[in-house]
Amino acid sequence: EDQVTQSPEALRLQEGESSSLNCSYTVSGLRGLFWYRQDPGKGPEFLFTLYSAGEEKEKERLKATLTKKESFLHITAPKPEDSATYLCAVWGGSNYKLTFGKGTLLTVNP
Amino acid sequence: NAGVMQNPRHLVRRRGQEARLRCSPMKGHSHVYWYRQLPEEGLKFMVYLQKENIIDESGMPKERFSAEFPKEGPSILRIQQVVRGDSAAYFCASSQLARSTDTQYFGPGTRLTVL
Repeated sequence: EDQVTQSPEALRLQEGESSSLNCSYTVSGLRGLFWYRQDPGKGPEFLFTLYSAGEEKEKERLKATLTKKESFLHITAPKPEDSATYLCAVWGGSNYKLTFGKGTLLTVNP
Repeated sequence: NAGVMQNPRHLVRRRGQEARLRCSPMKGHSHVYWYRQLPEEGLKFMVYLQKENIIDESGMPKERFSAEFPKEGPSILRIQQVVRGDSAAYFCASSQLARSTDTQYFGPGTRLTVL
């Protein structure tokens, strides 16, 4: 069974203080690893898809990287508006579902 | 271009009543997925449907839960005889194709409260 573990559960940063979120996974035949952002009371908002080890993608202050066992979401010089829960999910094997981690709650203080 | 739409956004039911949750996928999307998010838990897959077909319902509870995606109209997630443990946020996602290269886009969710 596919498993996703995210750490830390919660992270507080000062504005401008860079850091990384971790997503460790076990999956039978990775077909894609996905990062979403979720604001309180809203649905997950798609950020990135990564398909193979060594792949990297960037969007504004966010950069996602992938190895064979984990993915990192690097946040450079975060702003208060980056505060949200960041979700990692994998799609593996021959099924059609995304398996999600519990998320990392990021708070960026001004 | 409208995103995934879900209604109602909030639904309150008493124990034993029925709950019907609706999902309209993004324009051009014919694949719909339902997920449930319990308090302090991650999103859990429930069911994957295409028009008029249930493709994978491996995450659906065996009793009281059913889903459909008719030829015309929205996808419906139906919960019969609700219990307090059904209180959760239910999210619908849609994709154009059922491939990992095709993103699942999520709706705003329906928050079900069972009294």
